[in-house]
Amino acid sequence: DTEVTQTPKHLVMGMTNKKSLKCEQHMGHRAMYWYKQKAKKPPELMFVYSYEKLSINESVPSRFSPECPNSSLLNLHLHALQPEDSALYLCASTPTLTSFIQYFGAGTRLSVL
Amino acid sequence: KQEVTQIPAALSVPEGENLVLNCSFTDSAIYNLQWFRQDPGKGLTSLLLIQSSQREQTSGRLNASLDKSSGRSTLYIAASQPGDSATYLCAVRHSRDDKIIFGKGTRLHILP
Repeated sequence: DTEVTQTPKHLVMGMTNKKSLKCEQHMGHRAMYWYKQKAKKPPELMFVYSYEKLSINESVPSRFSPECPNSSLLNLHLHALQPEDSALYLCASTPTLTSFIQYFGAGTRLSVL
Repeated sequence: KQEVTQIPAALSVPEGENLVLNCSFTDSAIYNLQWFRQDPGKGLTSLLLIQSSQREQTSGRLNASLDKSSGRSTLYIAASQPGDSATYLCAVRHSRDDKIIFGKGTRLHILP
């Protein structure tokens, strides 16, 4: 199993809603990543977890709150988002933090109204 | 600060041609460089990973090279096919802070 599974595939939310994005992998990878990608732009790194601990936080606004409850699961909790947060949110994983191929999920397409 | 540049931004070539996509980076302190393919609205598919100690990697019709000292990588696609149409992204993992920096990509269109 070389899959990274992201749910939901699409999400529409209002600015006052609270929602969560989920990412799951069963490859035994211990590093997991959240990226944000706007249309026709490259992915931008948001957070990196290594061994379930937050390793990198790219100064992301607090309305995005990551969580890594176990080695297979990565969540991104969303609260009070802005319309400019609409984007494709991608999750990726690697065996450890360095020197391995990144496996990406298909992404969650988020629209904030 | 590491910067990754991809040239050209867009490319259209007739089917069957061989082509080269370019990626350059400003800081040679990297663990590795990875080439990805992305179809519109989809996630990224890893094509090739080159470790900093390697010079090239091959997979099928794809060959990626790395010249770390000059900060350059190329992705060579042989005998292009319409199914190769996609955006190709390169990304470097910076060894100073473990961060992964993407280029803006090359949008490739193979004409049938």
